[in-house]
Amino acid sequence: DAKTTQPPSMDCAEGRAANLPCNHSTISGNEYVYWYRQIHSQGPQYIIHGLKNNETNEMASLIITEDRKSSTLILPHATLRDTAVYYCIKSGNTPLVFGKGTRLSVIA
Amino acid sequence: DAGVIQSPRHEVTEMGQEVTLRCKPISGHNSLFWYRQTMMRGLELLIYFNNNVPIDDSGMPEDRFSAKMPNASFSTLKIQPSEPRDSAVYFCASSGQGSSYNSPLHFGNGTRLTVT
Repeated sequence: DAKTTQPPSMDCAEGRAANLPCNHSTISGNEYVYWYRQIHSQGPQYIIHGLKNNETNEMASLIITEDRKSSTLILPHATLRDTAVYYCIKSGNTPLVFGKGTRLSVIA
Repeated sequence: DAGVIQSPRHEVTEMGQEVTLRCKPISGHNSLFWYRQTMMRGLELLIYFNNNVPIDDSGMPEDRFSAKMPNASFSTLKIQPSEPRDSAVYFCASSGQGSSYNSPLHFGNGTRLTVT
């Protein structure tokens, strides 16, 4: 099963941290967790990925639980331009399968 | 790098006509993917190439759809004949690490196809 579970929508105040949860309880040992986002009318944009260690880059941080069954994407200081659909995906031996994602609305 | 380039950006055609969508992947990338996005079905993988060879075309909806990758810098997705239900945004993506699926995808901005 290549699917993950995410809340359909979330709101976040501008300047605050946005914490987007993802459940991937069926993840296997060789599967990575990937996060992408899609801003209206654009193609999906890669954000970050990880296997079991927490990861950070210029866009976001990824926190993966010790049992790897869930993760959280953190946008430390959300801006209006972060309004988008965020996809959490397991990736292992098959190409990426996108679910419905979380629609994040950043509010001024 | 200019990123993944798709053309045309918009295409409007009549039912029964042939439609060809084009994609130029990022230079040096050796994997290429075609996705389709609709409101009802979300993002669906249509076909995947590695080193110009089709690896997985199980997502291609029917024989009206075909895809080619004649060289490392160009791919086409053709629909013949087109039908109104083919209306969607078609995305091309490329990645750069061999045949591994554990490599970030870089998407183009898509072609919005409308079949009337």
